[in-house]
Amino acid sequence: KNQVEQSPQSLIILEGKNCTLQCNYTVSPFSNLRWYKQDTGRGPVSLTIMTFSENTKSNGRYTATLDADTKQSSLHITASQLSDSASYICVVSENTDKLIFGTGTRLQVFP
Amino acid sequence: SAVISQKPSRDICQRGTSLTIQCQVDSQVTMMFWYRQQPGQSLTLIATANQGSEATYESGFVIDKFPISRPNLTFSTLTVSNMSPEDSSIYLCSVALAGGGYEQFFGPGTRLTVL
Repeated sequence: KNQVEQSPQSLIILEGKNCTLQCNYTVSPFSNLRWYKQDTGRGPVSLTIMTFSENTKSNGRYTATLDADTKQSSLHITASQLSDSASYICVVSENTDKLIFGTGTRLQVFP
Repeated sequence: SAVISQKPSRDICQRGTSLTIQCQVDSQVTMMFWYRQQPGQSLTLIATANQGSEATYESGFVIDKFPISRPNLTFSTLTVSNMSPEDSSIYLCSVALAGGGYEQFFGPGTRLTVL
């Protein structure tokens, strides 16, 4: 069964600190992997998209990595800000349209 | 990119009634989708809204419960019929652009509470 698992389930960090979120998947065939940020009460917003040939992609303070061999991805947030408090969802695509969503990591950044 | 709006943004409804959610996109899009996000859960695809034909439903979702319309390339509606408290969720519309590669954009969601 195609699955996307994320860890930790929730995370609390202090403003200015770095953190790394993990994503493991068993989706096959693999097309691409995305990280979304979802603020409370809002729709998800795309942070990065990576195909199997890409190892890393950055978007400002967000850097995603992908190891297609081990089927693992991580999202690293540098110098966290209060506005980074949100749920971060790892999404893996079997093809260009069908998405499989992880359950997300709830990040809270405190001053 | 695409700008997506949904109406209503939230609603509280009585058991047994129906609610129609609207999704409007600022440009013509190839694909439109409807998702459900139950409290504390991730997103689950309900169906793909097809322009000019019946929607394609995922396993566990049926047309009688979630009728969908898509009269053109910029607009779609999802109706939640004969609601029960178990239907309390956030319902999200998303779109994929022609030539947009793998990008999917999501609307702000409609938060539905059924009493």
